[in-house]
Amino acid sequence: DTEVTQTPKHLVMGMTNKKSLKCEQHMGHRAMYWYKQKAKKPPELMFVYSYEKLSINESVPSRFSPECPNSSLLNLHLHALQPEDSALYLCASSQDGTAFVSGNTIYFGEGSWLTVV
Amino acid sequence: ILNVEQSPQSLHVQEGDSTNFTCSFPSSNFYALHWYRWETAKSPEALFVMTLNGDEKKKGRISATLNTKEGYSYLYIKGSQPEDSATYLCAFMYSGGGADGLTFGKGTHLIIQP
Repeated sequence: DTEVTQTPKHLVMGMTNKKSLKCEQHMGHRAMYWYKQKAKKPPELMFVYSYEKLSINESVPSRFSPECPNSSLLNLHLHALQPEDSALYLCASSQDGTAFVSGNTIYFGEGSWLTVV
Repeated sequence: ILNVEQSPQSLHVQEGDSTNFTCSFPSSNFYALHWYRWETAKSPEALFVMTLNGDEKKKGRISATLNTKEGYSYLYIKGSQPEDSATYLCAFMYSGGGADGLTFGKGTHLIIQP
């Protein structure tokens, strides 16, 4: 099973709402990632979790709050978002979360389309 | 800020023809170069992970080469088929960043015309 599952596929939320994006993998991977992709731009790294600990936060605003409850799950909590945060949010995972294992394949989910109104 | 460039941005190819496109990346602190195939409404699919200068990898009709000294990788598709239509993304991983995060190019959008 080489699958990363993301829910919901589509989310519309108001600027005062609190919502969450969820990501799940059962490949035994110990690194999980959130990427953000705006139209006609490349995916941009937001967060990296390695062995359930946040290892990278690429200067993401605090209105995005990641959480890794266990090695299979990764959440992205959303609060007080702005319309410019509307984008495709991609979750990904890889076998090992250290910088020494450069040959790891990274597996992506299909993404969650977020619209902030 | 890392610069990963892909060219061309889009490409129309007749079915049966072969094609190739380029990914350029910083030649210093190289760690790995990934190629992905991304069809609309699907997840990006990993094609190759390349780590050594001179690497050549092949998967069916698709192959890739890597030159880390000059900072480029080529992706080749032989005998294009309609199902090859997709966006092809390359992504660069550098050493010293301490992370497994990838920096992506904007992709090459490939359309195969029957």
